[in-house]
Amino acid sequence: AQTVTQSQPEMSVQEAETVTLSCTYDTSESDYYLFWYKQPPSRQMILVIRQEAYKQQNATENRFSVNFQKAAKSFSLKISDSQLGDAAMYFCAYWDGNKLVFGAGTILRVKS
Amino acid sequence: EADIYQTPRYLVIGTGKKITLECSQTMGHDKMYWYQQDPGMELHLIHYSYGVNSTEKGDLSSESTVSRIRTEHFPLTLESARPSHTSQYLCASARLRGSTDTQYFGPGTRLTVL
Repeated sequence: AQTVTQSQPEMSVQEAETVTLSCTYDTSESDYYLFWYKQPPSRQMILVIRQEAYKQQNATENRFSVNFQKAAKSFSLKISDSQLGDAAMYFCAYWDGNKLVFGAGTILRVKS
Repeated sequence: EADIYQTPRYLVIGTGKKITLECSQTMGHDKMYWYQQDPGMELHLIHYSYGVNSTEKGDLSSESTVSRIRTEHFPLTLESARPSHTSQYLCASARLRGSTDTQYFGPGTRLTVL
């Protein structure tokens, strides 16, 4: 079974600085999809960024980018120019063909 | 913001009561999901559906049941609520066609069983 591991339960970043959230996964598939979701406190879970495994180019969405290392099965999220509104729980997820498999999440705190 | 709705947002109820958590979406999505999430913890899939009259159990065993009579509606029912059911319940939906399967989440229902 596929697993997703987020080894950082909690991270802190100073406003305007850059932070990287780690995610590793385990799969025997060659083609799959990976996601980062953001869950602000008491608010709706929203998609941050999506990566297709067959694409070598790292996905980017404004201040959010990923470092996708397929051989290492690593999928980290980089947030540049951190803002107070980035404070949330971030979940890494793997699409197994039927459903999303989520990691345990990383709480990101942003200091002003 | 995605067009997926959950009601009620908060529910406090006594042990033994029957409850139904509502989830509806206006995006015409075929796939719908229910997750259970304790505060600050990971999500556990408890039910999912690929379309009308299709329901499947997820990875986490749950005493709840679901139904899918209409595409837009995916209610979750607990016949007899217990304190162990206290949690947050998140509903999500996605297209059936297409390979990206981005899931859109509702705002959640925070359930407390006394």
